[in-house]
Amino acid sequence: EPEVTQTPSHQVTQMGQEVILRCVPISNHLYFYWYRQILGQKVEFLVSFYNNEISEKSEIFDDQFSVERPDGSNFTLKIRSTKLEDSAMYFCASRLAGGLTPTDTQYFGPGTRLTVL
Amino acid sequence: AQKVTQAQTEISVVEKEDVTLDCVYETRDTTYYLFWYKQPPSGELVFLIRRNSFDEQNEISGRYSWNFQKSTSSFNFTITASQVVDSAVYFCALSESQGGSEKLVFGKGTKLTVNP
Repeated sequence: EPEVTQTPSHQVTQMGQEVILRCVPISNHLYFYWYRQILGQKVEFLVSFYNNEISEKSEIFDDQFSVERPDGSNFTLKIRSTKLEDSAMYFCASRLAGGLTPTDTQYFGPGTRLTVL
Repeated sequence: AQKVTQAQTEISVVEKEDVTLDCVYETRDTTYYLFWYKQPPSGELVFLIRRNSFDEQNEISGRYSWNFQKSTSSFNFTITASQVVDSAVYFCALSESQGGSEKLVFGKGTKLTVNP
């Protein structure tokens, strides 16, 4: 069964460093998402991506964040200068299509735990 | 604005007990989807069910059942004859389907502990 994969599973970095989190969505999916979950808290939407551009972003997704689909398979989240409060689990998700179709489910990857020291 | 409330922060039951996890949502849209995801201790998010706003039929899948009531804006989840493997955090989520990104808005989750 196809699944969303994410690498690395755990990333430790120093404050102020840049990190890139990588995701490989399910191959025929068209919509891609990043969410984050601070330890013990709820899952929060960061950004959605469709047709090679951001379709929606949250207040959390400030200028320090960027997303890219560099090669048609990978979907990356970059944090330019990490802060302590960026420590969280970051989930990638993908979805096949939109609207009132049976394929509206977002499937999540296993997550990348980011620790900023 | 969309909002999902899971008032139960933690629930603890003994194996074989039935347990219901509550979810109440707010949305201005007439077309939306509701979801339940399971997050076991290993941390991944596992999709359990999707229900669209036009389908109020309750659903049963093995030991799991869901009760969707538009009149009370609730989408509750019942586990019958709970097992230790059901121990996890369960998230209810909502997405609106009006041409936007259909992002998911999650509740804070209910941590279920099933004791042997």
